[in-house]
Parts: sequence; C-alpha cells; structure tokens
Amino acid sequence: QSVLTQPPSVSGAPGQRVTISCTGSSSNIGAGYDVHWYQQLPGTAPKLLIYGNSNRPSGVPDRFSGSKSGTSASLAISGLQAEDEADYYCQSYDSSLSGYVFGTGTKVTVL
Amino acid sequence: QVQLQESGPGLVKPSGTLSLTCAVSGGSISSSNWWSWVRQPPGKGLEWIGEIYHSGSTNYNPSLKSRVTISVDKSKNQFSLKLSSVTAADTAVYYCARAPDTKLHAFDIWGQGTMVTVSS
Repeated sequence: QSVLTQPPSVSGAPGQRVTISCTGSSSNIGAGYDVHWYQQLPGTAPKLLIYGNSNRPSGVPDRFSGSKSGTSASLAISGLQAEDEADYYCQSYDSSLSGYVFGTGTKVTVL
Repeated sequence: QVQLQESGPGLVKPSGTLSLTCAVSGGSISSSNWWSWVRQPPGKGLEWIGEIYHSGSTNYNPSLKSRVTISVDKSKNQFSLKLSSVTAADTAVYYCARAPDTKLHAFDIWGQGTMVTVSS
C-alpha cells in the first residue's frame, strides 16, 4: 500500500482545468523531499512530467504545472486536451521506508 | 540521447529467480546517475524495487530487500536485476530507469518495460 494517496480518477471537458492531489505525511512530502510527477499513456512507460515540485522538463507543455505545500502536492492541467487522457503518478522519498515511493495513481479522463 | 532497453525471460516458474538486464545506450553507465528498477503489476501502480550507482553502491526497497540483488557490468554498459523466490505476486511489467545523482533524484529516462509472468 502506497504512502502517497491520489484520487483514483478525475475528469474534465476539453479546455477545462483539472487538478490531482498527492497527499503524504511528515516522513515524505512534509519532510521536505521533492515531489515529481509522471504521465503514463496507455500501454507505454511512464514519462517525467514535473520534477522538483514545479519544474517542467524540456518539451512538456506549460499547461502542466505542479505545486507543493505542507504534506501535499498537486498537479494541474489547464486547457485539457484529448491527448492528456492517461494515468498520472506522484513520487517522492520516504525516510521511514528508506526508499522512493509512488502515489496510488490517478486516471484522467477527457469527457 | 540515452536510451534504456530491458531484456530477459518473460516467464518464470514459482520459487524460481527472475533475472533481467537493462542495456544503456547513447551514454555511459559510469556517468553521474543512479540506475533503478521499477515494476507495475497488471492494472496496478508503480513500485520502486531498487537502484545502483556505477561504483556498486545499492539501495533497495525494504519490502523486497531480502530477495533482490542489483548489479552493474560497466564493460557491457548494463545493469541487472535478480529477484529470488518469486510468486504470482511478482508478475508485473518491469522497467529500468535513470535518476541523475542530484538532490532531485527524479526518474528522467525509462525503458519501454518488459512483462514477466510467474507461472508454472
């Protein structure tokens, strides 16, 4: 069972803004460890979407943004597009587990 | 551009040992990066298995540590995973991934993944 909790699913119409939460604890996000986000399109490997809480790798549209506060982090997708339909995972480090942990994952559906 | 490619048997018998290799191309495994294994059971989320540095230093997921060995072969520019005493619960897509040796430690490059089924 993951120590980072995400909503199982979120949905929105094209052009809308959706947000995905990632709730952790004092041993991971709350301890100051960075949060990264990955996008996994159906049948493919995960792709780094946001690193260091709010930074986008080269090539990632600025429609994607990340933030972190306290023991939680969020990923926002603005101007939702059909191609954004995928699974999204947050990831951090947990000092109690002494290892890297992923969130439970969120499926984004474009209505 | 660095690319990763997993290889190994797609079927392993229960109680046996799962062995996979990740070939690194377009760059050196001796660069300042950690090399990881991550797995994903069918229809489920991602689980970090462990990582290795070119020096041989390793870190493992405590829940799998007793069964996992990750090694590096600098001459072949590849690293490997061995998971012993496998059960059906180890059936998953196994990915290798790279994380630069910085405080951020994000998995920035991934292999395409290889499906491993544990079954008799």
